Amino acid sequence: DAGVIQSPRHEVTEMGQEVTLRCKPISGHDYLFWYRQTMMRGLELLIYFNNNVPIDDSGMPEDRFSAKMPNASFSTLKIQPSEPRDSAVYFCASSSTGPAYEQYFGPGTRLTVT
Amino acid sequence: SQQGEEDPQALSIQEGENATMNCSYKTSINNLQWYRQNSGRGLVHLILIRSNEREKHSGRLRVTLDTSKKSSSLLITASRAADTASYFCALSSGSARQLTFGSGTQLTVLP
Repeated sequence: DAGVIQSPRHEVTEMGQEVTLRCKPISGHDYLFWYRQTMMRGLELLIYFNNNVPIDDSGMPEDRFSAKMPNASFSTLKIQPSEPRDSAVYFCASSSTGPAYEQYFGPGTRLTVT
Repeated sequence: SQQGEEDPQALSIQEGENATMNCSYKTSINNLQWYRQNSGRGLVHLILIRSNEREKHSGRLRVTLDTSKKSSSLLITASRAADTASYFCALSSGSARQLTFGSGTQLTVLP
């Protein structure tokens, strides 16, 4: 398996622009997680899905952030409009339904908003 | 949700030495996991220990869990330069599937 795939790996955009981050989870995994990592706040869970349904979005910082999972193999995290404080590394992770809860992380998208 | 707190924040050792990092938490857990993150990469799962287990081994890794003290430790034996990374504990509690990650320990292994 190719593991969790994220794109783009790097994104530089200007304040006010829309940003869309993409994730393909590991085939057969039915949980998908979006995280944000910064030096100041560490690794924060933004939202997670089970079987394509959002379960907990309490970590989504503002209405500017939205996430979708239209099918089992694709998810997006959108920021509109973007702000400099959104600059961070965004990770997608997936896990399977099993007694163990280990998560498999993608390589991340480094977002810079100028 | 609760967060684990790692200690120390940073650790620098010589190759061949053992590295120990600790994680403390506040409420009950289902399991506790350790992850490694190399610079510029995603997190990689290392080992999981359930609340009814006290110790687990995986290669050069040894994890202990003391639920009475609400703490866990990760021991890396015979460290190598390639072990240089950040190490995070992650807590699973309640019925939710999400994990809560600590702030991490930055380990530097000097050749």
